Amino acid sequence: SYELTQPPSVSVSPGQTARITCSGDALPKKYAYWYQQKSGQAPVLVIYEDSKRPSGIPERFSGSSSGTMATLTISGAHVEDEADYFCYSTDSSANHRVFGGGTKLTVL
Amino acid sequence: EVQLVESGGGLVKPGGSLRLSCAASGFSFTNAWMSWVRQAPGKGLEWVGHIKSKTDGGTTDYAAPVKGRFTISRDDSKNTLYLQMNSLKTEDTAVYYCTTAPYYYDSSAYPNEYFQNWGQGTLVTVSS
Repeated sequence: SYELTQPPSVSVSPGQTARITCSGDALPKKYAYWYQQKSGQAPVLVIYEDSKRPSGIPERFSGSSSGTMATLTISGAHVEDEADYFCYSTDSSANHRVFGGGTKLTVL
Repeated sequence: EVQLVESGGGLVKPGGSLRLSCAASGFSFTNAWMSWVRQAPGKGLEWVGHIKSKTDGGTTDYAAPVKGRFTISRDDSKNTLYLQMNSLKTEDTAVYYCTTAPYYYDSSAYPNEYFQNWGQGTLVTVSS
């Protein structure tokens, strides 16, 4: 089965840049998507198709993808950005829809 | 504004059944593909299954752990999505989210979809 691998945790101070990675063999061919989930809340889409930002998502959130790794970057992280972040993509046939294990971002 | 409101969660014994509903508003439900995604307590996200729009055939697809036990359906006249869960197991305990599922086709064997708008979720607990 297909897997997406994320670091379990990332920690930055307010105002610093946070980078969260997601690796998967099919990422050179498939888009990556990123979801933010704050404690006790539903996930929210923050990046789609590798690097596009939905309306209402702050400009400090950006995404990129190169080879087998996608990256979510939060430039100048705010305390309120503290959350779990999940990447999502599919295998090369698009048959298996997979989420990464999630990364807990701490901003303090 | 897109709104998705799930209901129907609760406590059920192993082997039992439960039906979840998701009331949709603020978008063209008839033309939308819809998915269910679940999250076990303290765990990550897991796709459960989807249903295409009737114009795209209205067909369903499921993740391996639920295939044969769960059934997704839709009532476009009521803008409502359903998840019928039978033969429930303790490992089905999770918050179940209803999502919109935009899609596109490329050279892959299957359509590519993702999960755009999410409901607030409903908790299903399977325990004796």
